[in-house]
Amino acid sequence: QVQLQESGPGLVKPSGTLSLTCTVSGDSVTSGTYYWSWVRQPPGKGLEWLGSIYYSVTPNYNPSLKSRVTISIDTPKNQFSLKLSSVTAADTAVYYCARERWSTVMNYYYYYGMDVWGQGTTVTVS
Amino acid sequence: EIVMTQSPATLSVSPGERATLSCRASQSVSSNLAWYQQKPGQAPSLLIYRASIRATGIPARFSGSGSGTEFTLTISSLQSEDFAFYYCQQFNNWPRTFGQGTKVEIK
Repeated sequence: QVQLQESGPGLVKPSGTLSLTCTVSGDSVTSGTYYWSWVRQPPGKGLEWLGSIYYSVTPNYNPSLKSRVTISIDTPKNQFSLKLSSVTAADTAVYYCARERWSTVMNYYYYYGMDVWGQGTTVTVS
Repeated sequence: EIVMTQSPATLSVSPGERATLSCRASQSVSSNLAWYQQKPGQAPSLLIYRASIRATGIPARFSGSGSGTEFTLTISSLQSEDFAFYYCQQFNNWPRTFGQGTKVEIK
């Protein structure tokens, strides 16, 4: 059974860099056809996709954050990470890591949603 | 960026009744749409993918339909555990985008 677990500081100072890691167990970050993603949810608000990475391919980022966000994969540790720079109070949120499954047949892409999620970690900017 | 719009924002339903939630995309997303359920204090969980396919373990009372720009999530007979927030998400384009959510509450 695949499990994801977020970890990192729960408190970050304004203008600092938020750094979170997602540890994957029960699967490999280099196996199959998966995007490894970050999603956040500010208090009392909806879900916001931050970005996704597939193995060694250049990540895709939310354009609203593109200049501040970096997602990377650490293959030996079977982890992927999020860095968000120049944070403000607006970046206070629960941050989730998630797995997005996809496949390709005859050059047609099929997407199966984000089927595995971490429990989420609360990050406060203050 | 594809904008996903969900309606209504809040749906008040009695247990045992049918709930119909809508999700509209600002441009076609084909069938590349998923629905999630989120309960307070929990991570979202996948209900439906490819617009109409139930994820593993999801009860048959949940069904999804639609393609292109108009999608519907139907809960045929609401159970107590179904009162929650529901989000749609498109996977047709980058960036991935979510709807703002629908809260299904007890009437």
